[in-house]
Amino acid sequence: EIVLTQSPATLSLSPGERATLSCRASQSVSNYLAWYQQKPGQAPRLLIYDASNRATGIPARFSGSGSRTDFTLTISSLEPEDFAVYYCQQRSNWPPLTFGGGTKVEIK
Amino acid sequence: EVQLVESGGVVVQPGGSLRLSCAASGFTFDDYAMHWVRQPPEKGLEWVSLISWDGGSTYYADSLKGRFTISRDNSKNSLYLQMNSLRTEDTAFYYCAKGSSGSYYNLLDYWGQGTLVTVSS
Repeated sequence: EIVLTQSPATLSLSPGERATLSCRASQSVSNYLAWYQQKPGQAPRLLIYDASNRATGIPARFSGSGSRTDFTLTISSLEPEDFAVYYCQQRSNWPPLTFGGGTKVEIK
Repeated sequence: EVQLVESGGVVVQPGGSLRLSCAASGFTFDDYAMHWVRQPPEKGLEWVSLISWDGGSTYYADSLKGRFTISRDNSKNSLYLQMNSLRTEDTAFYYCAKGSSGSYYNLLDYWGQGTLVTVSS
């Protein structure tokens, strides 16, 4: 099973600042890495797939990069609605599909 | 608009059984694989199961094999999860999610709002 490790666990930032979230895989997942956003009381929403492709309707301030074992989600300038928990997910070697433990982006 | 609405979550005793349902609309249901994902309260996401568009192939998390069964009824645009021998650690929100198209069937592009299963005596 591929283990995904996200860091940091919590990121405290102010609106307008840049957020950089990390996801590291225990073995190569090629570029089969997705990112999801989850707000309190809501279902997850797909943001990025195949490491760097934005899903439909996702603003350009969200970008993804990386390959093999190291991936980054960047939010270029935080909007108030971006404060949420972010999860990475791999679909390279499955079952099982696996998720990272999440990074909470909170208001500083 | 894609809509996924889960139902069936209740409080159940350890050792009990439960069937969750997910009603799908806004897309051609029998064109897509479907998933169940769960999330214990205040914790992270755990993939549970996948079923192919025609129900011919199913996959499970190893820890759940033999206790949970995924199924679908394409004539009713519905997805199901039969849960047996429930344990306290099965307490979670259960989400159904739509697989994306083609080779992206294991990418979860739309999610329902979830239904809460509580296993407690």
